[in-house]
Amino acid sequence: ETGVTQTPRHLVMGMTNKKSLKCEQHLGHNAMYWYKQSAKKPLELMFVYSLEERVENNSVPSRFSPECPNSSHLFLHLHTLQPEDSALYLCASSQVVYNEQFFGPGTRLTVL
Amino acid sequence: AQSVAQPEDQVNVAEGNPLTVKCTYSVSGNPYLFWYVQYPNRGLQFLLKYITGDNLVKGSYGFEAEFNKSQTSFHLKKPSALVSDSALYFCAVRDQGAGSYQLTFGKGTKLSVIP
Repeated sequence: ETGVTQTPRHLVMGMTNKKSLKCEQHLGHNAMYWYKQSAKKPLELMFVYSLEERVENNSVPSRFSPECPNSSHLFLHLHTLQPEDSALYLCASSQVVYNEQFFGPGTRLTVL
Repeated sequence: AQSVAQPEDQVNVAEGNPLTVKCTYSVSGNPYLFWYVQYPNRGLQFLLKYITGDNLVKGSYGFEAEFNKSQTSFHLKKPSALVSDSALYFCAVRDQGAGSYQLTFGKGTKLSVIP
């Protein structure tokens, strides 16, 4: 295991639901990331946090809302999603933002 | 702008033979280069990185990669493939001078090692 955990591993939700994805890192890292992985497409960086401060936001729709309460935890709050949002959502962490990243196993999200 | 290309969607190699997974990149400054591997239903695992220095980088599980500045390539290699190496491999690049935290990933290459 990489030291990065994600819950839940699988999530099915309707378009009107509100849910949250959770990520926790046990590596003492200072940077955390959310990525979206869709079939046949490169990984898409969604959000970057460094020392609990958001430092990059790649034009992600407002129906995705991140939260980083401390350097070990990262959340992705979801509301009124679309079917095209179905994907594998990966969390990662790194010592600092320029170092190699360590990934969690991902949450497989299906939006009906 | 930074970009990375993995020209092969799939690579097949016989067990015991050497393997190569290709990667080329484009950056305006100097590159940070990474290789990751993803097994089914798992996240990405870091294999190796090039920051500066020796062009031949050694990583986990017997993998290595060679940085070639003139060809803007960073191919992943292993002298003798194992069936357990079958997975999806991603190359990634960051421009050292761009001031961005973004790591740009390739689309991935599926490696199949045939017993």
